[in-house]
Amino acid sequence: DAGVIQSPRHEVTEMGQEVTLRCKPISGHNSLFWYRQTMMRGLELLIYFNNNVPIDDSGMPEDRFSAKMPNASFSTLKIQPSEPRDSAVYFCASSLTGRTGNTIYFGEGSWLTVV
Amino acid sequence: GEDVEQSLFLSVREGDSSVINCTYTDSSSTYLYWYKQEPGAGLQLLTYIFSNMDMKQDQRLTVLLNKKDKHLSLRIADTQTGDSAIYFCADLPGGSYIPTFGRGTSLIVHP
Repeated sequence: DAGVIQSPRHEVTEMGQEVTLRCKPISGHNSLFWYRQTMMRGLELLIYFNNNVPIDDSGMPEDRFSAKMPNASFSTLKIQPSEPRDSAVYFCASSLTGRTGNTIYFGEGSWLTVV
Repeated sequence: GEDVEQSLFLSVREGDSSVINCTYTDSSSTYLYWYKQEPGAGLQLLTYIFSNMDMKQDQRLTVLLNKKDKHLSLRIADTQTGDSAIYFCADLPGGSYIPTFGRGTSLIVHP
């Protein structure tokens, strides 16, 4: 089975530019998570979708961040305008709620550098 | 809110056993997880344990759960250099589908 697929794997962009990160969850999963990982703050949950609906977006840092899930097989995380402090690894993860273990599976991450 | 605590570093010699510890605060936790993150990669599920279990063993991995003390440990037998990674503990609070992750423990295995 294909795991969670994220793109791009690496992105370097200039401050002020728009960044769009993409995620394809595992087929059949109904929950999707976006996380951000930095040395200073560790792993932070940004937003959680269930059945394509945002359930918890309390972790979204500010209005510059937005996330969408137009269908069960695709999600985007957009940063506009980007700032150097947004430099981090962004992980997408998915799970099937109700399955034994409720295990979430992570993608390989998108490594973002804003200069 | 919920909190999951881990020590940040653990250094062991190749061939020894490693024990990574974790404490959590939510007494309603239903599942507890261990994930492994290798450099440049995502978090990979190692194992999980249901809250009504005390122990789970899977090859070189042994998970012990002390629900009374809210303490979880991961023991890696015969630790190898390939086990060097960051290990994350996480719990799933009752009634939630959002796990709470610790900060991760960096395991360093030296010859």
